[in-house]
Amino acid sequence: NAGVTQTPKFRVLKTGQSMTLLCAQDMNHEYMYWYRQDPGMGLRLIHYSVGEGTTAKGEVPDGYNVSRLKKQNFLLGLESAAPSQTSVYFCASSYPDSGRWSTDTQYFGPGTRLTVL
Amino acid sequence: TQLLEQSPQFLSIQEGENLTVYCNSSSVFSSLQWYRQEPGEGPVLLVTVVTGGEVKKLKRLTFQFGDARKDSSLHITAAQPGDTGLYLCAGDSSGTASKLTFGTGTRLQVTL
Repeated sequence: NAGVTQTPKFRVLKTGQSMTLLCAQDMNHEYMYWYRQDPGMGLRLIHYSVGEGTTAKGEVPDGYNVSRLKKQNFLLGLESAAPSQTSVYFCASSYPDSGRWSTDTQYFGPGTRLTVL
Repeated sequence: TQLLEQSPQFLSIQEGENLTVYCNSSSVFSSLQWYRQEPGEGPVLLVTVVTGGEVKKLKRLTFQFGDARKDSSLHITAAQPGDTGLYLCAGDSSGTASKLTFGTGTRLQVTL
């Protein structure tokens, strides 16, 4: 099993450009998440999904869109990149445990380092 | 927005020393998790604590959840270079994934 993979690993964008980050998991997990990590701020939840075809906003959703067309994939899109979106982006997935899925183990991908000039 | 403050932010110690990392909040959490993250990788879950006052041990690591479920600590005994990394606490307050709040992180370096 590859676990959680993210594509690409690095990307440099100019302000106003768009791009899509791809997250894939092969563990048949129901839930998937997108976080951003900035120095001194830990990880902040951007969007999440509790199943195929469903998405919801997290703590910092502005400027991002997501789609979960297939259970194994979760896409994060930036329509018009801004320097404030320079960050490391992590995808994670989890499977509900005994109905208390908030305490489930989240499995993280290796991250995508995005720089917006 | 709930905040989880970790202290210290940075810690550099020698092999064999003991250390404690703290995770504090003014909010109550139904559960709290600790993760370790190495450079260039995603966080990896170490432990989940769910009961106030709970203590869990993982080899040389001891995790405690505060009685009031607002704080937690991670104690490492006889630190080794392999313990080097970024330690993150994460709290859940409502039983939903959208409420998993991560702490600010403690970067630990253990040298020989």
